[in-house]
Amino acid sequence: EAQVTQNPRYLITVTGKKLTVTCSQNMNHEYMSWYRQDPGLGLRQIYYSMNVEVTDKGDVPEGYKVSRKEKRNFPLILESPSPNQTSLYFCASSWDRVGTDTQYFGPGTRLTVL
Amino acid sequence: AQSVTQLDSHVSVSEGTPVLLRCNYSSSYSPSLFWYVQHPNKGLQLLLKYTSAATLVKGINGFEAEFKKSETSFHLTKPSAHMSDAAEYFCVVTSQGAGGFKTIFGAGTRLFVKA
Repeated sequence: EAQVTQNPRYLITVTGKKLTVTCSQNMNHEYMSWYRQDPGLGLRQIYYSMNVEVTDKGDVPEGYKVSRKEKRNFPLILESPSPNQTSLYFCASSWDRVGTDTQYFGPGTRLTVL
Repeated sequence: AQSVTQLDSHVSVSEGTPVLLRCNYSSSYSPSLFWYVQHPNKGLQLLLKYTSAATLVKGINGFEAEFKKSETSFHLTKPSAHMSDAAEYFCVVTSQGAGGFKTIFGAGTRLFVKA
């Protein structure tokens, strides 16, 4: 089944403890992206990647890192999480390189930073 | 700079009546426009997309949207609401900007459907 998977689905952590949220797609898509969803703000783009080893900042990249070493994986890294990073996170992928076609979303990761 | 404005945060309709969810956008370059739907505690699903072909776009579940360049609008409509349409709807624009290709979401419109 074609899908985008994220792990973990739920995570509660404490301020400053490094964490990684994994994202994997099995559709051989070029483009991958991370978003955070907060009430009343819609989804905001954190980082995106147009190809292996090519990443770029979205609108809210501060406090986050990403890497794209393999085409199928795009992990989101929070080196020192803070409470303002408590949010619902979505990973997405698209066949085209710039995200101008349909994006397929993962199920979401709900992160709470205490 | 790109931006997306969904003009209503909440819309309430009765089952069987028309639905109108309004979206205005701003983009320096030719945009791709989308509507996504998010049901409670679920991920996002594409309803429809405009990518510079026909200006009237038909999507899934009877939804359609019209791209009006002169009004910079991309409103979503459905002739007859169903209870299962109750969800949050996001208007999305992707286009090239000064900082590369960005995807911008509107704040969302929550649709309530009354029996």
